[in-house]
Amino acid sequence: NAGVTQTPKFQVLKTGQSMTLQCAQDMNHNSMYWYRQDPGMGLRLIYYSASEGTTDKGEVPNGYNVSRLNKREFSLRLESAAPSQTSVYFCASSGYTDTQYFGPGTRLTVL
Amino acid sequence: DAKTTQPPSMDCAEGRAANLPCNHSTISGNEYVYWYRQIHSQGPQYIIHGLKNNETNEMASLIITEDRKSSTLILPHATLRDTAVYYCIVYKIKAAGNKLTFGGGTRVLVKP
Repeated sequence: NAGVTQTPKFQVLKTGQSMTLQCAQDMNHNSMYWYRQDPGMGLRLIYYSASEGTTDKGEVPNGYNVSRLNKREFSLRLESAAPSQTSVYFCASSGYTDTQYFGPGTRLTVL
Repeated sequence: DAKTTQPPSMDCAEGRAANLPCNHSTISGNEYVYWYRQIHSQGPQYIIHGLKNNETNEMASLIITEDRKSSTLILPHATLRDTAVYYCIVYKIKAAGNKLTFGGGTRVLVKP
């Protein structure tokens, strides 16, 4: 039981490049989330998916798109990366208890 | 969601109990108290949560005052691996788009 896994762990992009962050969970959770954490700051919600087939914007969605591929997987795409998107990205999932379980994070640097 | 107030930092001796306070004076009746921690560079880790009653699990105990305006997280025997930032969060469960609002938290340093 791996919990929440994220790939890649580290990524460096140039401004304007695109990439997709992958997240998967094996806990049969309905809800999944993407957060970003800037240095010294708390987490901010980017997008969430309350159930398979649905996605909704969070607090800071601009510059991102998401796909809930199936119940297990929730991906985050940066179409045209900007230096302001340099951050640590965390994926989380929750089940019927609403407790969120987090992945290890992806450290993204945009030059 | 109700806001929380926590001390910015505290030290604790290894092997002793660590008592982390949290004020949430504007908590509403359907909001739970959750505690998470974040060890340096890692994803936040769930510790414990409660509504009214005190709760205990293998990691910690949660004491909630009768008026629910404050709570205390107790780590019974702190180890060096418990050094982390601890976040007290109140939020409604079963609310669509529920987001965890991580405030400043308490930076706990466990010393040998």
